[in-house]
This record gives sequence, C-alpha cells and structure tokens, in this order.
Amino acid sequence: QKEVEQDPGPLSVPEGAIVSLNCTYSNSAFQYFMWYRQYSRKGPELLMYTYSSGNKEDGRFTAQVDKSSKYISLFIRDSQPSDSATYLCAMSGAAGNKLTFGGGTRVLVKP
Amino acid sequence: EPEVTQTPSHQVTQMGQEVILRCVPISNHLYFYWYRQILGQKVEFLVSFYNNEISEKSEIFDDQFSVERPDGSNFTLKIRSTKLEDSAMYFCASTFGYRGGYTFGSGTRLTVV
Repeated sequence: QKEVEQDPGPLSVPEGAIVSLNCTYSNSAFQYFMWYRQYSRKGPELLMYTYSSGNKEDGRFTAQVDKSSKYISLFIRDSQPSDSATYLCAMSGAAGNKLTFGGGTRVLVKP
Repeated sequence: EPEVTQTPSHQVTQMGQEVILRCVPISNHLYFYWYRQILGQKVEFLVSFYNNEISEKSEIFDDQFSVERPDGSNFTLKIRSTKLEDSAMYFCASTFGYRGGYTFGSGTRLTVV
C-alpha cells in the first residue's frame, strides 16, 4: 500500500465549477497536511497548510482533514482556467520532518 | 513574499561529471531540504538539514550525494559522478518548522547526457 494515494486524473471541469480533490494516507503519525499547486516544469507552490483535523478556508480554497478516516480534501470554488495545474497533497509527522507527497491530480478547467 | 531561490534553472552535464546545485532558502527558516522529481513521477525526498547537519536522508541519497551550507545563506547539493538516471528536476525547500508550510524553489532541471 502506498503511503499517500491520490487519483492522477485528469479531472476536467467547466469554468466556475467547484473542483474537489482528495488524498488518502496510511501513516497515522501524519499531523501536518499541505496542498500544493504545480505548473508544468515548475516548483510546487503552497496553497494550504493544516495542522491535525478540521477545516481551513482561504479565499476560494477550503482544505479539510479527517484523521479518523486518513482522508484529506481540497475544494476550489469558482474555478478559473488559470487553476489548470497539477495539485499535490503532502504531509509530515512532525514539524520540520520530511514531506511525503501524493502523486498529484491533474486538473483542467475549461473556459 | 519571501522566496527560495535556485540556480541554475537548467544544467546539462556529461555522465560522470560533478554538478553542484545551489539554493538560497528563506532567511529565517531553520530546516532545509532537497527533493527531486523525475519527469512524470512524484516528488521524492532526498535529504533534510537542520542545525548544520543532515537530519534525515532517503535511500536515494547515497555516497554520490552531499549537501553543504557553506555560509549563512546558501545551501548546496553536490552530485559527485552523475548518472543518466540522475536526470530530474531538483527542488530545494525550507520551513521555519513550527508554523507555516514548506516553501519550494522553482527548481533546477538537470539533464545528464
């Protein structure tokens, strides 16, 4: 079983729709959860950072963590063509520890 | 917004040559990392560095690899004798540790020919 699993997509949505992304993980020691956006041949760009379980909202982005189910989600409201990218989940067990990444989900937002 | 800066953006090298990839992490961050991403694959951890020493390394980070923080600002990854399979994007990252996420640089694309 992979430590962090993410559907590779592609996930295609019309402009203005809600994009729903998720990851599952197997290591119950993970406590810090992050979502990154990556454009082709560029570095990961941090979108959301969450500690432990709960919800966090920042503009059009909402991150949810359910540690009991080992499941995290990212929602993007009012999606734009510029949101077309690969979205990576990443997590670590303690502050400063290495990040373990999912394989990424490619998202296409069509005008 | 503070950034992690990586140079060069692209490097082509002959197999067997040594390469040094350079990074300037965010100035008040305490933890520094190197990751790599082979084309089409996931981002993989190589090494973490804290308090002037390696805190963790992966199986990939063998004797061919080394890291250094020669002064208060630069963080380097050296590959002693490059192989074809070292061709990848190499990302430097840093974090303060107890708050906020990990900030990544824009990467160095290493091509070994």
